[in-house]
Amino acid sequence: NAGVTQTPKFQVLKTGQSMTLQCAQDMNHNSMYWYRQDPGMGLRLIYYSASEGTTDKGEVPNGYNVSRLNKREFSLRLESAAPSQTSVYFCASRLMAGDTEAFFGQGTRLTVV
Amino acid sequence: AQSVTQPDIHITVSEGASLELRCNYSYGATPYLFWYVQSPGQGLQLLLKYFSGDTLVQGIKGFEAEFKRSQSSFNLRKPSVHWSDAAEYFCAVNRLEGGGFKTIFGAGTRLFVKA
Repeated sequence: NAGVTQTPKFQVLKTGQSMTLQCAQDMNHNSMYWYRQDPGMGLRLIYYSASEGTTDKGEVPNGYNVSRLNKREFSLRLESAAPSQTSVYFCASRLMAGDTEAFFGQGTRLTVV
Repeated sequence: AQSVTQPDIHITVSEGASLELRCNYSYGATPYLFWYVQSPGQGLQLLLKYFSGDTLVQGIKGFEAEFKRSQSSFNLRKPSVHWSDAAEYFCAVNRLEGGGFKTIFGAGTRLFVKA
């Protein structure tokens, strides 16, 4: 019953460092998403992958890249971290149909100093 | 374009009182609407969803929501709030773009419950 698993749970980076956030789901979902959550702004979509082999930009893609490695895994990369990327990051997955809900990981709290 | 608006940033209610959280959406096609709840330090959990049929939908933990197309609203209600309901609540819509659906969230409403 793992659902959506994100690693790491916490991370502190220095400005300019790079890192990759990992996400894996075991529910055979087609679509996967990366969001960032900031106080008062809800969850904002960074990138998504509607199905294996496709990725698209969301509302706030600048400074990020993604890879849909296979159906299970969807990673988010920060090439050169900036303090503005301090946030809580959530990975989510869902089936492709419009009436299906998203399932979320527990989040990664990232601080860039 | 903003798809989901939650006009109340935070709401405080007394335990046992009724609750209504507001949500308005802007979407031309038939909306797929959701309410999620987030407890501190946790991911989001689905409370309920609407995509067709009866406009009053029931969810978990005693919550319900009513879809009103004429008002573009999907407000969440609970008749009697419990202290454990203190959390942040998000309204969301699944919007079709390109090759698939994107889930777009409102800014959230934080619920405080006082004894």
